[in-house]
Amino acid sequence: SQQGEEDPQALSIQEGENATMNCSYKTSINNLQWYRQNSGRGLVHLILIRSNEREKHSGRLRVTLDTSKKSSSLLITASRAADTASYFCATSTSGTYKYIFGTGTRLKVLA
Amino acid sequence: NAGVMQNPRHLVRRRGQEARLRCSPMKGHSHVYWYRQLPEEGLKFMVYLQKENIIDESGMPKERFSAEFPKEGPSILRIQQVVRGDSAAYFCASSPMPGGANTGELFFGEGSRLTVL
Repeated sequence: SQQGEEDPQALSIQEGENATMNCSYKTSINNLQWYRQNSGRGLVHLILIRSNEREKHSGRLRVTLDTSKKSSSLLITASRAADTASYFCATSTSGTYKYIFGTGTRLKVLA
Repeated sequence: NAGVMQNPRHLVRRRGQEARLRCSPMKGHSHVYWYRQLPEEGLKFMVYLQKENIIDESGMPKERFSAEFPKEGPSILRIQQVVRGDSAAYFCASSPMPGGANTGELFFGEGSRLTVL
């Protein structure tokens, strides 16, 4: 079954605002990653957070992980029109090497 | 260092034909993943291969689909007797180590978009 589910499915904000996306998963994980996909393109890795970490930052990105709630959030601060894309979480679990992707959040940043 | 190369980028097939999608991983990467993406949906895991070995094919349909990653040459995803429901984008990702590099990152190609008429 699908491991990750993002919400909201779609998000539209004004440039300069912050964007928050959430990801929920079902089983214990080794790590959780966030990827970005521009329309018609492949996925690009943004950030990885391990199961023993609670928060991580990279530039304008902030990721949190709550293993007790089996959820993660991705915050993009001071959004730009160029941040318009779909964002996916991906989880890996013990004993497997595959990554399971969520359903994605489609973010639109209006200039 | 070239990224993950997939070809063809676009492929049109009629029902019943065969589709063959190729993926050349990044240099030095010996682990390849294939994913399928339907429009407006997430990626569905299909198969994970190492050189000459299929490690996990739990996401592959049991019929008509096969994958290989030979010692020399690209990884191939083969779909026999295609049906309209096979229309999708197929993405390949590679990594230098099982389950990704030390960062866990997968490097994706631009995808092959299959349309079945």
